[in-house]
Amino acid sequence: GESVGLHLPTLSVQEGDNSIINCAYSNSASDYFIWYKQESGKGPQFIIDIRSNMDKRQGQRVTVLLNKTVKHLSLQIAATQPGDSAVYFCAEREKAAGNKLTFGGGTRVLVKP
Amino acid sequence: EPEVTQTPSHQVTQMGQEVILRCVPISNHLYFYWYRQILGQKVEFLVSFYNNEISEKSEIFDDQFSVERPDGSNFTLKIRSTKLEDSAMYFCASSEYRAGTGTGQFFGPGTRLTVL
Repeated sequence: GESVGLHLPTLSVQEGDNSIINCAYSNSASDYFIWYKQESGKGPQFIIDIRSNMDKRQGQRVTVLLNKTVKHLSLQIAATQPGDSAVYFCAEREKAAGNKLTFGGGTRVLVKP
Repeated sequence: EPEVTQTPSHQVTQMGQEVILRCVPISNHLYFYWYRQILGQKVEFLVSFYNNEISEKSEIFDDQFSVERPDGSNFTLKIRSTKLEDSAMYFCASSEYRAGTGTGQFFGPGTRLTVL
């Protein structure tokens, strides 16, 4: 039979443009968030994290924004490159749940040359 | 740059057989995790391990599953009697600190488990 899987939203972006990937989370008790990048056949690769006492955090070419009011997280990638093509996941941690991360469904980013 | 390693990269087994998936976490990390990803689905938490004991586990992590740190470097996941639905990509992860502090959880490349 046919397996039911995730339908990944896809973001197509021109090389050199900025990308914005969004993530809605549902648990208002989550206090820590991570963005991961997953290339085909590989494990999730840590990009950047943010704690709930922050609204914004910047890394190299990436910025994470956290809006706790609407439970929304975004990842901005500046000057997107072909190597940025991958599936991007947000993950959240509820403090009471210890070290368990709960992953979102992911967004596929395709960078057009 | 240090990284988490996993072996084997692909394991094929018959239903009902035992499998052991192996991981070598990053050397100075103290917290270890197993996650799995069924094809086309989300990454799911299985278990976390600290100070030689399980600290959290999910509903998926039933009596068929066990974890062990047999020596100072390896971290293993054993599935005692595999089922068809155990077919998935299994990821090991490690972190220096508990979640919410430090620099996050770092994942290995995964072991693809296929149960026939």
